[in-house]
Amino acid sequence: AQSVAQPEDQVNVAEGNPLTVKCTYSVSGNPYLFWYVQYPNRGLQFLLKYITGDNLVKGSYGFEAEFNKSQTSFHLKKPSALVSDSALYFCAVRAWTGGYQKVTFGTGTKLQVIP
Amino acid sequence: NAGVMQNPRHLVRRRGQEARLRCSPMKGHSHVYWYRQLPEEGLKFMVYLQKENIIDESGMPKERFSAEFPKEGPSILRIQQVVRGDSAAYFCASSPGDGGNTEAFFGQGTRLTVV
Repeated sequence: AQSVAQPEDQVNVAEGNPLTVKCTYSVSGNPYLFWYVQYPNRGLQFLLKYITGDNLVKGSYGFEAEFNKSQTSFHLKKPSALVSDSALYFCAVRAWTGGYQKVTFGTGTKLQVIP
Repeated sequence: NAGVMQNPRHLVRRRGQEARLRCSPMKGHSHVYWYRQLPEEGLKFMVYLQKENIIDESGMPKERFSAEFPKEGPSILRIQQVVRGDSAAYFCASSPGDGGNTEAFFGQGTRLTVV
């Protein structure tokens, strides 16, 4: 069964510092990987995705993520955090299972950027 | 092109009543996912549907819950005889197909409160 792990429930970082939100996955076959952000009382917004090609993927709002096949990881990063980045972040994987492509989400990581 | 539309945004039901949550996918999207999110928790997969077909309902409780995505009209998540534990935010997402390189787009959610 495919799974996604976000090992940190919460990440605190000072404004202006680099941030990393961790994600590891387990699938059979090649994964398609996604990051979403959720602001309070809102739906999820798509940030970026890895399908194939360059392991470093750039997305919205200055975020990027690095796909590491050997470590089965897809960590989200940003060089300089903003207070407005404070939100809930979800990692997701899409892969073939049981004859169709299933999407599985991690449990989410709350990012708190401290002014 | 309107995004994924969910209605109502807020729904209050008394215990024992029925709740009907609607999701209109983005134009051209034929795949719909439903997720449940409890306060301060991550997303829990409920069901994955294509037009007129349920592909995966492994996350949906066997009793009281049902979902459909008819050929015409929105997808409906129906909860019969609601209980307090059904109070949550229910999110719908749609995608154009089963291709792995397409991200899912989320609605703003329906917040169900059972009193």
